[in-house]
Parts: sequence; structure tokens; C-alpha cells
Amino acid sequence: RKEVEQDPGPFNVPEGATVAFNCTYSNSASQSFFWYRQDCRKEPKLLMSVYSSGNEDGRFTAQLNRASQYISLLIRDSKLSDSATYLCVVTLNNAGNMLTFGGGTRLMVKP
Amino acid sequence: GAVVSQHPSWVICKSGTSVKIECRSLDFQATTMFWYRQFPKQSLMLMATSNEGSKATYEQGVEKDKFLINHASLTLSTLTVTSAHPEDSSFYICSAREGTGGVGYTFGSGTRLTVV
Repeated sequence: RKEVEQDPGPFNVPEGATVAFNCTYSNSASQSFFWYRQDCRKEPKLLMSVYSSGNEDGRFTAQLNRASQYISLLIRDSKLSDSATYLCVVTLNNAGNMLTFGGGTRLMVKP
Repeated sequence: GAVVSQHPSWVICKSGTSVKIECRSLDFQATTMFWYRQFPKQSLMLMATSNEGSKATYEQGVEKDKFLINHASLTLSTLTVTSAHPEDSSFYICSAREGTGGVGYTFGSGTRLTVV
């Protein structure tokens, strides 16, 4: 079983749609959680951190469920520019440990 | 914000030659840097953790004699792919972290290596 699992997609949605991605992680000791965005042939860029209380940044909402060991990302009012691969990332602790990446979920927003 | 500079952006080399990739933290000191490899349509896989002034820690299955890592200063880590083969063709990305806590990882722009 992979440490961090994601549905690879692709998710093909029209502009303006709401789309949600889920991610599950296997290590219950995981402490930090993130969503990264990666455009084709580019480096990953931090989209947002994920907290148990949930956090929102504009059209993006992230949620963490520790009991079920899953993380979600909700994108509202999708834009063409949201087309990318979204990577779920966890670390084991906050002391500078390595990032463990999920396989990514590809999103394609169509006009 | 923190910036990590990675060079070269892309390189084409012949089988059997060696390629060096540099990763520099431009405005912060990074005692630890991470090297990842990404094959097409796959996610980033950690290859090794580079520690300033000491030996790198390699992930299982990564040959330390083939992927030489040097982290001689707080702002520079290098990855050398020795005796490259076509199967080494991949996207190599470095990452450095500023400060403590879970956030603050910054990635280099990546190096696309093609071995012919």
C-alpha cells in the first residue's frame, strides 16, 4: 500500500464547476499535511497547508480528517488556470522531515 | 520568499557521461536539502536527503555510487549522475527548507535530463 494515495484522474470539469479531491495516508503518525500544485514540466508549488479545523483560501478549501486519515481539497468556481496536477503531501513530523508525495490528481478545466 | 535556484534546467548527454546538477538556496541557509526524481506521469520520489557537512542519506533502491551528492556549504548541494544511461532520463528536483515547522519547503525549478 502506498503511503499517500490519490485518484490519478483526470478530472475533466467545465469552467465554474466545483470539484473535490481526496487523499488518504497510511501512517497515523503523520503530522503535517499540504496540497501542492504542479503544472506540466514544472516544480511543485505549495497551494495550502491543511489543518483539522479546515482552512479556506479564496476558492480553495482544505480539510483534514485524522480519524479516517484522509485529506480533501475543494475547488469552487473552477477556472481554466486551475488545470494542473494536485499533489497531496504529508510529513511525519514538524522537525524538518521529508515530504512524502501522493501520485497526484490531474485536473482539466474545460471552457 | 525563499528562493531555490537549480541549474541546469535541461540537459542532454550521451550514455556513459556524467552530469552535475546544482541546487542553491539564494537568500537563506539550508542545512538540509532533498533530491527528488519524477518520471513521466508519476509523482516525485525522494532519492536522498543531503546534509551540509556530512554524508547524504539515500532512500532504498537509490545507488549512492551512481548518484553522488555533495553538500559542501549551507547554500549549495550538487547531484552528479555518473555514467548516465537512458533509464536515468527523468526530471530531477531539489528542495530546501527554511526554518523549522512543517511549512517552508521551496523547490528548485527542476532539471530535465535526457540521456541518449
